[in-house]
Amino acid sequence: DQQVKQNSPSLSVQEGRISILNCDYTNSMFDYFLWYKKYPAEGPTFLISISSIKDKNEDGRFTVFLNKSAKHLSLHIVPSQPGDSAVYFCAVYGGSQGNLIFGKGTKLSVKP
Amino acid sequence: DTGVSQDPRHKITKRGQNVTFRCDPISEHNRLYWYRQTLGQGPEFLTYFQNEAQLEKSRLLSDRFSAERPKGSFSTLEIQRTEQGDSAMYLCASSLAVRAGELFFGEGSRLTVL
Repeated sequence: DQQVKQNSPSLSVQEGRISILNCDYTNSMFDYFLWYKKYPAEGPTFLISISSIKDKNEDGRFTVFLNKSAKHLSLHIVPSQPGDSAVYFCAVYGGSQGNLIFGKGTKLSVKP
Repeated sequence: DTGVSQDPRHKITKRGQNVTFRCDPISEHNRLYWYRQTLGQGPEFLTYFQNEAQLEKSRLLSDRFSAERPKGSFSTLEIQRTEQGDSAMYLCASSLAVRAGELFFGEGSRLTVL
């Protein structure tokens, strides 16, 4: 039973446009939400996070939005660049767990 | 390089053999995690340590899997009597307990069981 769902396995975007990656979670006890990026043959790297007391966090071209009532978060990348092409994992933390729970990932391709 | 390092990067073994992976975390990090990743899936949590204490191990996939972190430094993950279904990427990550959600991952150890 998936606690973190990324329903889009892949996304293709033109360079310069906005990329929107989505994530849904099931447990309202989760209180910290993160996005990781993974290039081939590398481990995931932390990208951006948001705590449950906020609804938006911005870091340069990356913004994460949290909708607690819908148990939904999204990652916006604008403008998208070819170097952003990677697999993006949504992850949640909190509740009774001391570990991150990851979604299956969305493969983003940014076309020049 | 002061990142998380894992060894070996690749391991090919025959079914029934034992394998051991090593992880050296970032030195100032007191938490160390093991995850497994298979094709098309996100990292799947296995176990984690805070210093030398193993705080969660119920997610280890079977009693063939065990992990240690002697002296709270490096860690080893052992898989006994490997099966073909154990073929996966085994990822190690470390973090500070106060920033427990922000994991720093190694490049992983890929296991292929023939």
